[in-house]
Amino acid sequence: DTEVTQTPKHLVMGMTNKKSLKCEQHMGHRAMYWYKQKAKKPPELMFVYSYEKLSINESVPSRFSPECPNSSLLNLHLHALQPEDSALYLCASSHSGDGTTEAFFGQGTRLTVV
Amino acid sequence: ILNVEQSPQSLHVQEGDSTNFTCSFPSSNFYALHWYRWETAKSPEALFVMTLNGDEKKKGRISATLNTKEGYSYLYIKGSQPEDSATYLCAPRRGSARQLTFGSGTQLTVLP
Repeated sequence: DTEVTQTPKHLVMGMTNKKSLKCEQHMGHRAMYWYKQKAKKPPELMFVYSYEKLSINESVPSRFSPECPNSSLLNLHLHALQPEDSALYLCASSHSGDGTTEAFFGQGTRLTVV
Repeated sequence: ILNVEQSPQSLHVQEGDSTNFTCSFPSSNFYALHWYRWETAKSPEALFVMTLNGDEKKKGRISATLNTKEGYSYLYIKGSQPEDSATYLCAPRRGSARQLTFGSGTQLTVLP
């Protein structure tokens, strides 16, 4: 199984809502990532978990809260988002977090904040 | 912030043509370079991870070369097919940086 599964595929939420994005992989990868991608821009790294511990937070606002319940799961909790947070949110995993192994990506969650 | 440039931004070629794109990055403190293919409505898919100067990697009709001293990588596609239509992203990593920085990509369209 070389898949990274993200749910939901699409999400529309209001600025006062709380929602969560989920990501799952069963490849035994120990590094997991959240990226944000706006239209016609490259993916931008948000968070990295390595061995279930948050190792990188790229100065992401606190309205985004990551969680890694176990080595196969990664969540992104959303609260009080702004319309400019509308984007494609990609989850990825890799065997190691040092950049020398390929990353496997999910299809993403298309988020619209209204 | 790592300055990563990919050229051209977009490219249309005829089926059967061979083509190549460029990824340029700062050469200092190089650590690794990734290439990904991203088809519309699908997940980005890893093509290559390259770490050594002079590396050449091949996967079917697609190959890549790496020059870490001058800070560039080329991706070649031989005999392009319509299914090669996608955005091709490169992502270098410096030793001092913590993770990959993606370029803006080259959008390839192969016309039948």
